[in-house]
Amino acid sequence: QITLTQQAESLWISPGERVSITCRASQSLLYTDGKHYLSWYQQRPGQTTKALIYHASVRTDGVPTRFIGSGSGTEFTLSIEHVQPEDFAIYYCLQTLKSPLTFGSGTKLEIK
Amino acid sequence: QIQLVQSGPELKKPGESVKISCKASGYTFTDYAMHWVKQAPGKGLKWMGWINTYTGKPTYADDFKGRFVFSLEASASTANLQISNLKNEDTATYFCARIAGSPWYFDYWGQGVMVTVSS
Repeated sequence: QITLTQQAESLWISPGERVSITCRASQSLLYTDGKHYLSWYQQRPGQTTKALIYHASVRTDGVPTRFIGSGSGTEFTLSIEHVQPEDFAIYYCLQTLKSPLTFGSGTKLEIK
Repeated sequence: QIQLVQSGPELKKPGESVKISCKASGYTFTDYAMHWVKQAPGKGLKWMGWINTYTGKPTYADDFKGRFVFSLEASASTANLQISNLKNEDTATYFCARIAGSPWYFDYWGQGVMVTVSS
């Protein structure tokens, strides 16, 4: 199965700063259609889990432009520019290229 | 608007069974597969498998074969997860999530159901 590694369990930052969360896959997530099957999700207490990014870099409807997905092959990054108070949450990457679908272990964004 | 609304929290004893539901609204239920995801307390997300809402065929991840059953009440736009012979390690929040066709990502999630297994 494909393993996704999010090395940072927690990241401490101040509101207004920029942060990058990385996700490394054990094999390439590039499919023959030229797209990467890597998506990012946000979990906040009391809220439903929210999809932020799919195909590694495409924002879902309504997601603010400060959320930026990038990367290719096996290395992916979710960047958040000018972090807002509501962005302090847990972020997960997910690969849907091959079954079983697998998630990264999650990265918690905490207020410094 | 599109919603996945799950049933309420459950408290069960080891060996018992539980059935949790996920009612979809705002779209044609049979057009999108439904997936199930487990999150143990303080832990990450783990994919359990999915059910084809058109044919009713379930597919289970290896760790969820045997005691776990995905089913449908298609007329009610509802997907169900039943867990039998509950164990302490089944204590978790269980999410349903709809997968968006070609982009293949979970575009809508249920709010989750906390299942607690304790004697």
